[in-house]
Amino acid sequence: SAVISQKPSRDICQRGTSLTIQCQVDSQVTMMFWYRQQPGQSLTLIATANQGSEATYESGFVIDKFPISRPNLTFSTLTVSNMSPEDSSIYLCSGGSGSYEQYFGPGTRLTVT
Amino acid sequence: RKEVEQDPGPFNVPEGATVAFNCTYSNSASQSFFWYRQDCRKEPKLLMSVYSSGNEDGRFTAQLNRASQYISLLIRDSKLSDSATYLCVVTGYSTLTFGKGTMLLVSP
Repeated sequence: SAVISQKPSRDICQRGTSLTIQCQVDSQVTMMFWYRQQPGQSLTLIATANQGSEATYESGFVIDKFPISRPNLTFSTLTVSNMSPEDSSIYLCSGGSGSYEQYFGPGTRLTVT
Repeated sequence: RKEVEQDPGPFNVPEGATVAFNCTYSNSASQSFFWYRQDCRKEPKLLMSVYSSGNEDGRFTAQLNRASQYISLLIRDSKLSDSATYLCVVTGYSTLTFGKGTMLLVSP
């Protein structure tokens, strides 16, 4: 299993600013993902964080808006850029090996005013 | 057709009831299947994997029908602590696709 932590756990930000969320895994994992979960909704995959290369984004998500870094097998960051109120959501990272079990961080609750 | 579809909820059941959740998926090349549980304001956690042969873990039974692209979860003898949202998850090579989830409310 893997234990995943995220920082910050929550934040309130003004529109037009950017926030970087950190995700730390306590062991090396092959895959790391970033998700968004809006109130009452299921999880939507934003991107796969690739170690040492550019992230792979899902339809509707672009690098300029959600730049992602993954410098090693245990750490990744997601930046939410030029925020608007529509970006208010819970952002979760997960880690695991391929298509097997994914472990989730506790999430970052973002409110944009 | 959505990639992963689940029964709309919520399901309101009394303690001790048996409840079944259904899930269908559209990609016949999907590789692995899971049920996750998400408590209110918490992250999802794996409940159980789903195999073609079916698998059981205590009060929980999961089944997969690849021909029909259908997954089910059966909960017997429901407990108050089973109240949560149950997410059907289907994976391909490197991604997971989540269903919208079905909320279960178990009442005394």
